[in-house]
Formats: sequence, C-alpha cells, structure tokens
Amino acid sequence: EVQLLESGGGLVQPGGSPRLSCAASGFTFKNSAMSWVRQAPGKGLEWVAVISGGGGSKDYADSVKGRLDISRDNSKNTLYLEMNSLRAEDTAVYFCAKVDRNYNMDVWGQGTTVTVSS
Amino acid sequence: EIVLTQSPGTLSLSPGDRATLSCRASQTVSTSYLAWYQQKPGQAPRLLIYGASRRATGTPDRFSGSGSGTDFTLTISRLDPEDFAVYYCQQYGRSLWTFGQGTKVEIK
Repeated sequence: EVQLLESGGGLVQPGGSPRLSCAASGFTFKNSAMSWVRQAPGKGLEWVAVISGGGGSKDYADSVKGRLDISRDNSKNTLYLEMNSLRAEDTAVYFCAKVDRNYNMDVWGQGTTVTVSS
Repeated sequence: EIVLTQSPGTLSLSPGDRATLSCRASQTVSTSYLAWYQQKPGQAPRLLIYGASRRATGTPDRFSGSGSGTDFTLTISRLDPEDFAVYYCQQYGRSLWTFGQGTKVEIK
C-alpha cells in the first residue's frame, strides 16, 4: 500500500525552526517528485514547495521562499521540510504529497499540525 | 502567478441532485495540468480528476470534469451522501502549483 506519514509538528515559538518529516512507503520513492502543501485553520490549500526525485531541483512558493527548505533522503525514503523564522501566519496543517508524472498530487499524507505561538 | 477563482463558495443541495462547480483561471491553463481534489473534514485531499477530464483511480463515474482555456467545470451527476465535502481545483505551470479557494458542497 502506498503511504505517506508526516511527523514533527507541534507548538513552536515565533522565530522557531522545526523540521517536518514525511516517511514514504509502497512506491519507488527516488523516482517521484515530492511536495509540501499547507492549510491554515479554516482556510484552503496552499502549495509550499516541491523537490525532484533526485533532490537536485527545488521550487518554492513566494510566501515561503528563503525561510523554508525542502530536502529528501532517498536512502531513508523520507522527505523533509526545514522551517525557519516562523511567523504566526505559518500556523497550518502541513501535508506531504507525491507528485505523479503529470504533475498531479496523487498520494497525500494525513498531515502534521504546526502552531506558531508564544 | 495564475489565480484560480472557484464559484460558488458554497453549494447547498440534496442527495440525488446535480452539482456544478466552476473554476476560472486568470490566464490560460494547460488542460493537461488542471486537476480537482475532494477534501472531507479532518482528512487529506484526494485527487478526483486530472487532465481536466480524466477520472483518477477510484473516482466514481458520477464525477466528470470539463473545460479548457480559463474555464473549467466539475460536475457531480447525482450527489451521494459521501460527496458532501470541499472541492478544490488546482493548476500546474512554470514549476509551481496554485489552488482555487474551494467550493463547499453541503447538505440542504
């Protein structure tokens, strides 16, 4: 079964730097681009970042560029999101998603919640 | 950045009704890269339609997508109780994705 499982969320102080993880199973991880999408409380979906299968290509939404870093360890089948200089508006559920060859997000994790508050 | 505007914001319908959801783009979107997702409360989104009109694996045939250019539509021919949810359109272009703000389909 294809599965994604996020972890690493929680209560973070403004300016904090948590790292989110997404463990993948059931598919050839190194062959798939992966993405992070977030959803603020009661709001819609916002694409955050994408990384190629090999990890050599990354792209970010303007709203997070310079503060968030997407990475992956294909030996561990794990995707990461390093978050820096967090603000209250970064409070959201963060989903990882597998990107298929047609640029659709065809598999999603259940999400991990990041709450930025003092 | 391409902005997707969905309408209506909320659709109040009864089981068995037909639902028509609209997604309008600020610029032309490649049909190949227009998708629809369903999200139920407390759950992750689920890919329903890709390539504007192709059903994803497991999507019932009561769901259909259509459109091209800047105007796209998701139609649910007869609403099943499990279809009451929020629906998002999404486009991909120039290495970034954008989502519409969502349409909530609620029980009347």
